[in-house]
Amino acid sequence: EVHLVETGGELIQPGGSLRLSCAASGLTVGGNNMVWVRQAPGKGLEWVSIIWTDNNIYYAESVRGRFTISRDDSKNTLYLQMNSLRVEDTAVYYCANFYGSGRYWGHGTLVTVSS
Amino acid sequence: QAVVTQEPSLTVSPGGTVTLTCGSSTGPVTSSHYPHWFQQKPGQAPRTLFYDANYKQSWTPARFSGYLLGGKAALTLSGAQPEDEAEYYCLVSYSGIWVFGGGTKLTVL
Repeated sequence: EVHLVETGGELIQPGGSLRLSCAASGLTVGGNNMVWVRQAPGKGLEWVSIIWTDNNIYYAESVRGRFTISRDDSKNTLYLQMNSLRVEDTAVYYCANFYGSGRYWGHGTLVTVSS
Repeated sequence: QAVVTQEPSLTVSPGGTVTLTCGSSTGPVTSSHYPHWFQQKPGQAPRTLFYDANYKQSWTPARFSGYLLGGKAALTLSGAQPEDEAEYYCLVSYSGIWVFGGGTKLTVL
């Protein structure tokens, strides 16, 4: 059974930094194309970033230059380093895998950017 | 940046059939856009229904079908059930950059 568990969300001031983690079980993050998706309160889904199995990385324009996606295969964990956070980054952040026949989502972690 | 368009809201009667569509501002949606469909119920995480237009997840009910038609990605629900009331999102790839549609709020009434 596959589980993706996001952690690291918290209340943080504008301009601050935060690192989100997505611990995987039942699949290997290195063997999957892994994504981060966010959802602001009461809004729709927004794709944030993807890391492919071949290590190609892409970002949404809204976070490019501020966010960094990475993975640690030894810990089977996906990360999202978020710098220079803005109020508009407030959202639930989900990780998911976009590879193979089973495409799973975590339950999300809430990031609140506010002074 | 490309814009992905979905119907903001649709209503279907219990047992009825409804089709949700997903279009792109750049032109026809094709298999090269690897369209996905997701279902999200209030207070829950999204779950994947289809990827690459028509590849169904093991948990996707048989009453759902995904396909490409007329330059759009489409999701048809045949025999709607009350539990199908949810927000549905499509997602399209543009050479590595992915863009979600705004979502369709489906009401079963």
